[in-house]
Amino acid sequence: GDSVTQMEGPVTLSEEAFLTINCTYTATGYPSLFWYVQYPGEGLQLLLKATKADDKGSNKGFEATYRKETTSFHLEKGSVQVSDSAVYFCALSRAGGSYIPTFGRGTSLIVHP
Amino acid sequence: DAGVIQSPRHEVTEMGQEVTLRCKPISGHDYLFWYRQTMMRGLELLIYFNNNVPIDDSGMPEDRFSAKMPNASFSTLKIQPSEPRDSAVYFCASSLGQGYSPLHFGNGTRLTVT
Repeated sequence: GDSVTQMEGPVTLSEEAFLTINCTYTATGYPSLFWYVQYPGEGLQLLLKATKADDKGSNKGFEATYRKETTSFHLEKGSVQVSDSAVYFCALSRAGGSYIPTFGRGTSLIVHP
Repeated sequence: DAGVIQSPRHEVTEMGQEVTLRCKPISGHDYLFWYRQTMMRGLELLIYFNNNVPIDDSGMPEDRFSAKMPNASFSTLKIQPSEPRDSAVYFCASSLGQGYSPLHFGNGTRLTVT
């Protein structure tokens, strides 16, 4: 079945550091890929998405590129802020067959001033 | 758009009591999901509906859990009787149900069973 694997956290960075959170997936066909962010006390919210190979999703300075050859969708940001401290979830869903989205276990990011 | 609305935000109850969690999805979304989040088990899908019909409830942990969606704008998750191990944050999410459509989550209900 489908699966999403994220790097274990927490990831601890200083403000303005470069961020990478790795995400790889296993799925048949051509899934859409998503990154969600969860701030303390809130629900998950969509950060960015990509629906086909080589697409780059971007939002709020975050980027991720859909790499089918490596089945990856790594999240990157060039300069993190304290306000980026949150839990980040990688996810996939498929247009055909079972629609149920598959989530990774989440990666906690802590950014220090 | 008000987003997905859940109530209550916090619920504290004693073991054995009935608990009802409520959700109003985004208008026009035809899929509704109930998730449970804990530190130990992460985000778990409990049940999901399509056009108000339950499609897959294999994630519901026990018969003590039940969910209904009487119409397109309302769903409930009920736990009867509640137990301390049910303590978690319960999220409702809705979606247009196409593979490229994201889920829209509510802010959750934090349930504490003492």
